[in-house]
Amino acid sequence: GQQVMQIPQYQHVQEGEDFTTYCNSSTTLSNIQWYKQRPGGHPVFLIQLVKSGEVKKQKRLTFQFGEAKKNSSLHITATQTTDVGTYFCAGRAGTASKLTFGTGTRLQVTL
Amino acid sequence: NAGVTQTPKFQVLKTGQSMTLQCAQDMNHNSMYWYRQDPGMGLRLIYYSASEGTTDKGEVPNGYNVSRLNKREFSLRLESAAPSQTSVYFCASTGGADQPQHFGDGTRLSIL
Repeated sequence: GQQVMQIPQYQHVQEGEDFTTYCNSSTTLSNIQWYKQRPGGHPVFLIQLVKSGEVKKQKRLTFQFGEAKKNSSLHITATQTTDVGTYFCAGRAGTASKLTFGTGTRLQVTL
Repeated sequence: NAGVTQTPKFQVLKTGQSMTLQCAQDMNHNSMYWYRQDPGMGLRLIYYSASEGTTDKGEVPNGYNVSRLNKREFSLRLESAAPSQTSVYFCASTGGADQPQHFGDGTRLSIL
């Protein structure tokens, strides 16, 4: 079945440093979504990418969808303590009604 | 605006007991999902319902059953709980496959 892997599993940065998480799917995706889960909370939708090579920005967050639609990345510029949490990508293959979630990257930010 | 409501929030069971986790959404969404999340791991799909009247297995359906009671409600049942089912269970809903999923606050389930 479809698998979605994320690297790294965990990253610890100093506030102000940049952070990137990478997402790789075993199959071509029709779209990819990104979610953030704060410690003890539930996943919250951040963004969706649909087109090959698409790049979207939300303030300090930049999201990319690969040309082959099998990989994606999330880059945070100048991290803040409010960025702490686990970031998940989730991909949809074809016309499926379900998403396959990646394994997640846990981000810790210290002062 | 409640969104997705899950009950209970916490539960402790003994091995072999049965339990139903409840989920309701007030966003008129067609699709609903049940996931489990184990420590340090991602979300794994247990069952989903693409529309009222249909249910399908996800990645890890063994030991669970579901009921899409109506458009609003989607319940998850553990018939004979096992320690391996200790997890946090999340319900989610969406208006369509290309729309965001909205999650409930989760049910933290421990099986002794």
